[in-house]
Amino acid sequence: EPEVTQTPSHQVTQMGQEVILRCVPISNHLYFYWYRQILGQKVEFLVSFYNNEISEKSEIFDDQFSVERPDGSNFTLKIRSTKLEDSAMYFCASRTGGTSPEAFFGQGTRLTVV
Amino acid sequence: RKEVEQDPGPFNVPEGATVAFNCTYSNSASQSFFWYRQDCRKEPKLLMSVYSSGNEDGRFTAQLNRASQYISLLIRDSKLSDSATYLCVKDSNYQLIWGAGTKLIIKP
Repeated sequence: EPEVTQTPSHQVTQMGQEVILRCVPISNHLYFYWYRQILGQKVEFLVSFYNNEISEKSEIFDDQFSVERPDGSNFTLKIRSTKLEDSAMYFCASRTGGTSPEAFFGQGTRLTVV
Repeated sequence: RKEVEQDPGPFNVPEGATVAFNCTYSNSASQSFFWYRQDCRKEPKLLMSVYSSGNEDGRFTAQLNRASQYISLLIRDSKLSDSATYLCVKDSNYQLIWGAGTKLIIKP
């Protein structure tokens, strides 16, 4: 069964450093998302990406964040100058859209900023 | 009012019992709704889509009430493995809006 894969599964970084979280969505999917979930809290939308551009972003997704689809398969989230409060689980998701709008999630990257 | 609201729980339910929880939403332009299940420290996984006509999948039944703007999830004959957080999700122009989740604990 096709799946969304994320790497790394766990990343520890020092405050102020830049991190890149990587995702390989399911190959025929058209919509891509990043979400984050701080431990014990709700899933929060960060950004959606369609047709090689950002289609929607939340107020959390400020200039500290950027997304790229550098080739036909990877979808990355870059966090510049990380802060302690960026520590969270980051989930990538993809979906085909159309009549089958189910979103498939990767297993997440646990980011710990120290 | 939040776009999607859920009772956070926890709901403590004995094994074998029936449990139901609701989720209310605002902005009735939404077309699609879903229930996702999330185990501790894991990714959300789709449990079922929710249709106006209601839909059933084994022990699980989901209903959508557009007039009152809520969706519901009913779990019959609950199992220990049903313990999880259940997330109500609204699809608004391909952006998924998430509820905070309802925690369910099934006790032996």
